[in-house]
Amino acid sequence: GENVEQHPSTLSVQEGDSAVIKCTYSDSASNYFPWYKQELGKRPQLIIDIRSNVGEKKDQRIAVTLNKTAKHFSLHITETQPEDSAVYFCAASLYNFNKFYFGSGTKLNVKP
Amino acid sequence: DGGITQSPKYLFRKEGQNVTLSCEQNLNHDAMYWYRQDPGQGLRLIYYSQIVNDFQKGDIAEGYSVSREKKESFPLTVTSAQKNPTAFYLCASRRDREITEAFFGQGTRLTVV
Repeated sequence: GENVEQHPSTLSVQEGDSAVIKCTYSDSASNYFPWYKQELGKRPQLIIDIRSNVGEKKDQRIAVTLNKTAKHFSLHITETQPEDSAVYFCAASLYNFNKFYFGSGTKLNVKP
Repeated sequence: DGGITQSPKYLFRKEGQNVTLSCEQNLNHDAMYWYRQDPGQGLRLIYYSQIVNDFQKGDIAEGYSVSREKKESFPLTVTSAQKNPTAFYLCASRRDREITEAFFGQGTRLTVV
């Protein structure tokens, strides 16, 4: 099955700096890679996703890059704000997918 | 707010008791999932279902059971066989056979007392 590894487990940045979270996956057949943000005590919510036919996707301050050859994908947050503080999860799934495989999460702390 | 509802939000169980967590969605999604969340361990899949009356074990199914009698509902029973049931449980749903996001419920925090 798929194995998704996520790093770092915690990340602390100063407000206005950039943050990068990286994930690797093991199954080359995986073709959908969402990122979820979970605020304390709340449900995970999708913030951005990317499909395997695309190398990069941006949405305002958030971007995701995918390297299919190396089997890794990354979340980039620019101009971080205190409200970006949360736990972020990456995930991978196959086209005929029954399952999402999640990374272990990154706790991002943006210091004002 | 996402159309997927879990209840209750907090649940306390005595050791040796079974307890059932509710998950209902009105999104007309075919696939539904149950995840367990422990600190520092991400989301681990317990069970999933792609269609009514069918479900599959995930990575940590031991001590849990589910049913899928209706498309809208996917209840999870935590049995007394689950050795360490205290955790945050998340239900999710997704349109099947499409590359789409999963929508999560607000979660149920189960505590064994």
